Amino acid sequence: DGGITQSPKYLFRKEGQNVTLSCEQNLNHDAMYWYRQDPGQGLRLIYYSQIVNDFQKGDIAEGYSVSREKKESFPLTVTSAQKNPTAFYLCASSQKPGTGFNQPQHFGDGTRLSIL
Amino acid sequence: RKEVEQDPGPFNVPEGATVAFNCTYSNSASQSFFWYRQDCRKEPKLLMSVYSSGNEDGRFTAQLNRASQYISLLIRDSKLSDSATYLCAVKGSGGYQKVTFGTGTKLQVIP
Repeated sequence: DGGITQSPKYLFRKEGQNVTLSCEQNLNHDAMYWYRQDPGQGLRLIYYSQIVNDFQKGDIAEGYSVSREKKESFPLTVTSAQKNPTAFYLCASSQKPGTGFNQPQHFGDGTRLSIL
Repeated sequence: RKEVEQDPGPFNVPEGATVAFNCTYSNSASQSFFWYRQDCRKEPKLLMSVYSSGNEDGRFTAQLNRASQYISLLIRDSKLSDSATYLCAVKGSGGYQKVTFGTGTKLQVIP
């Protein structure tokens, strides 16, 4: 079945530690996204990538880094510079922007990150 | 003004009722619109796209009003299983076509 797989489902970070969240998709989508969701807040865009080897900062990129070496994969690293990392992290993908008028994003089932 | 705004609710409705949510957006050049459903502690799932002429999927009807810059979602014959948070999403214009999500409207269907 086609879909987006995020791992792990739960992750704990120690002080000063970098952690990496995995996101893999087999939908053959060009574009991939990372969002952060805090209680009572909407989805906030961290980073996005429209094609392999290219990515752009979203609205809240500070303290995060990404890579896009393969079309299927878009890992997110939460660095020690992110002082408030506790949140629900969602990865999404969609067809390449511009290829269709209505190209919705589809989400993985998320990773919950907490500070130890 | 926020780019996308929704009434957070909660909307508490009895089973079988009809309920409607609105979502307003500020960018008049926005091109695409979507409704997502998000269950507690789960990921958002696409409920339906919103087309200019309005569209229906079973008990769900979505409408777009470009003049007043809002989209709506109507749920008829509410079921207990409809209880969730409903997020609207608005895709802008331009090369990247950024998607902005609303904070969601919580629906609780009561027996």
